Amino acid sequence: GQNIDQPTEMTATEGAIVQINCTYQTSGFNGLFWYQQHAGEAPTFLSYNVLDGLEEKGRFSSFLSRSKGYSYLLLKELQMKDSASYLCAVRDSNYQLIWGAGTKLIIKP
Amino acid sequence: ETGVTQTPRHLVMGMTNKKSLKCEQHLGHNAMYWYKQSAKKPLELMFVYNFKEQTENNSVPSRFSPECPNSSHLFLHLHTLQPEDSALYLCASSQEQGNQETQYFGPGTRLLVL
Repeated sequence: GQNIDQPTEMTATEGAIVQINCTYQTSGFNGLFWYQQHAGEAPTFLSYNVLDGLEEKGRFSSFLSRSKGYSYLLLKELQMKDSASYLCAVRDSNYQLIWGAGTKLIIKP
Repeated sequence: ETGVTQTPRHLVMGMTNKKSLKCEQHLGHNAMYWYKQSAKKPLELMFVYNFKEQTENNSVPSRFSPECPNSSHLFLHLHTLQPEDSALYLCASSQEQGNQETQYFGPGTRLLVL
């Protein structure tokens, strides 16, 4: 079966750095997405990786290792508004998106 | 971001009611999706429409009936739902189904079935 694993919940301190991991087992790979979802709101697109390596976008970076079936989302200089759920999704060989259950990130002052 | 809108935002219905959820996208996309999001579970893809044609139906019970009159509008008709159908229903759109298109989501309809 196809599976995406990510931690259920993480806590971090304002101003710090946090890394949210995602591991996947899918039938084929055609890219990995990270989305941010604030409570009661729409998931919003953060990043897309299809090749190995690090993609940096401001305070957020996303890393991919296809050989390890592994990605992480790195958030720097954490702000209170970063408190949200972070969803990892992988596009399989049929171009279907397979979703993780999301990681709830709690930022404390 | 108001590219994808959904109405209503909240809905409470009894098991014998009939209601419809509406989604509209203003992004010029050709693919639209319905997802179910339950607490602490992955997003579940329900239906996909590509150029108004239904291309995916992931074993969804017949009490959920989608309708896509044009590329900008998507409906989900609900009837004789069960309490376990209570969830957040998300609509999304993308340029086309497949390839490496990013999906853009609406804010969802929070549904409670009593």
